[in-house]
Amino acid sequence: EAGVTQFPSHSVIEKGQTVTLRCDPISGHDNLYWYRRVMGKEIKFLLHFVKESKQDESGMPNNRFLAERTGGTYSTLKVQPAELEDSGVYFCASSQREAGGNEQFFGPGTRLTVL
Amino acid sequence: DAKTTQPPSMDCAEGRAANLPCNHSTISGNEYVYWYRQIHSQGPQYIIHGLKNNETNEMASLIITEDRKSSTLILPHATLRDTAVYYCIVPSGYSTLTFGKGTMLLVSP
Repeated sequence: EAGVTQFPSHSVIEKGQTVTLRCDPISGHDNLYWYRRVMGKEIKFLLHFVKESKQDESGMPNNRFLAERTGGTYSTLKVQPAELEDSGVYFCASSQREAGGNEQFFGPGTRLTVL
Repeated sequence: DAKTTQPPSMDCAEGRAANLPCNHSTISGNEYVYWYRQIHSQGPQYIIHGLKNNETNEMASLIITEDRKSSTLILPHATLRDTAVYYCIVPSGYSTLTFGKGTMLLVSP
């Protein structure tokens, strides 16, 4: 079974440009999460989808970030326009809902560098 | 999420058991304890979770105290590949995971 995949693995862009990150969750997982780690900081939650609906987007830093999950399958995270402080590693995770379960499977991350 | 406290770092000799402690004194009755780890440059990896009984899987064992205010993750025979940051997390229901600073475990030859 394929795990969570993310594309691209690395992205280097200039300040003011737009970048779109993609996440393909494990097939059949309704829950999809985005997290990020900026340099020297802890991994922070960004948002949570249940199928195509945003369950919780309390971690989104500002309106330059837009996440979508059309059709409840893969998800994209767009940063527009990118700022220097957006640099970091963006992780996607997916999970199934089951009694007492919160086991999330993480992708390898996308390393974003904004110059 | 209930707050957790972990030592910032620990060392372990290869082949020996690694015992990683975690305090979660504010945990409520229906909250689980989860352990994840992050090996350098990789995404976090789920290890194990438990509610009140001790748990064991192919990766590790989880010992939870009777009052549930603390737990210990045990890697029975640590290898060099177990060097990672280990996170103890107590999420609230089906919520997001709150990663703290974790414990940096260094396994040495």
